[in-house]
Amino acid sequence: GDSVTQMEGPVTLSEEAFLTINCTYTATGYPSLFWYVQYPGEGLQLLLKATKADDKGSNKGFEATYRKETTSFHLEKGSVQVSDSAVYFCALSDRPGNTGKLIFGQGTTLQVKP
Amino acid sequence: DAGVIQSPRHEVTEMGQEVTLRCKPISGHDYLFWYRQTMMRGLELLIYFNNNVPIDDSGMPEDRFSAKMPNASFSTLKIQPSEPRDSAVYFCATAGLARTGELFFGEGSRLTVL
Repeated sequence: GDSVTQMEGPVTLSEEAFLTINCTYTATGYPSLFWYVQYPGEGLQLLLKATKADDKGSNKGFEATYRKETTSFHLEKGSVQVSDSAVYFCALSDRPGNTGKLIFGQGTTLQVKP
Repeated sequence: DAGVIQSPRHEVTEMGQEVTLRCKPISGHDYLFWYRQTMMRGLELLIYFNNNVPIDDSGMPEDRFSAKMPNASFSTLKIQPSEPRDSAVYFCATAGLARTGELFFGEGSRLTVL
């Protein structure tokens, strides 16, 4: 079945460092891909998304490019802030634009130190 | 818009007791999802509804768990009898008609079964 694999955390960085969180997926169709973020004590919220190959999603300085050839959707940010400390989830939906169920990765905890 | 509203935010109960978690979706959203989050298993989809009808309950761990959606503005997740291994954060999430693939999460209900 469809699945999402994320790099294990926690990831600890100093403020202004470059961030990469790896995400790869397995899917039989043409999924939409998402990154969600969970701040402490809160529910998940959508960070960015991409619906087809080569699309780049971006928001709040974060970016991720849908790479069909490598089945990847790595999250990047050029300069992290302490406020970016959170858990990041990669997810896929098996039908583009569909609000059917999402399959989430295990989550990667990011801690940014001042 | 008030967002997805869950109650209670925290519940501490003893093994064997019945637990009922509640969710009020965003008005107009026709998909509703119940997720469970634990350190060991990450984020697991338990069940989801479309237009108040259960579509996929394959994630419900066992018969002790049941979920209902009697109308478009209310859903419950019930555990009877509860066990210590049910301790987790339970999230309700909804999705709307726009078919963007975005889920809107509540703040979660943290359940502790002693």
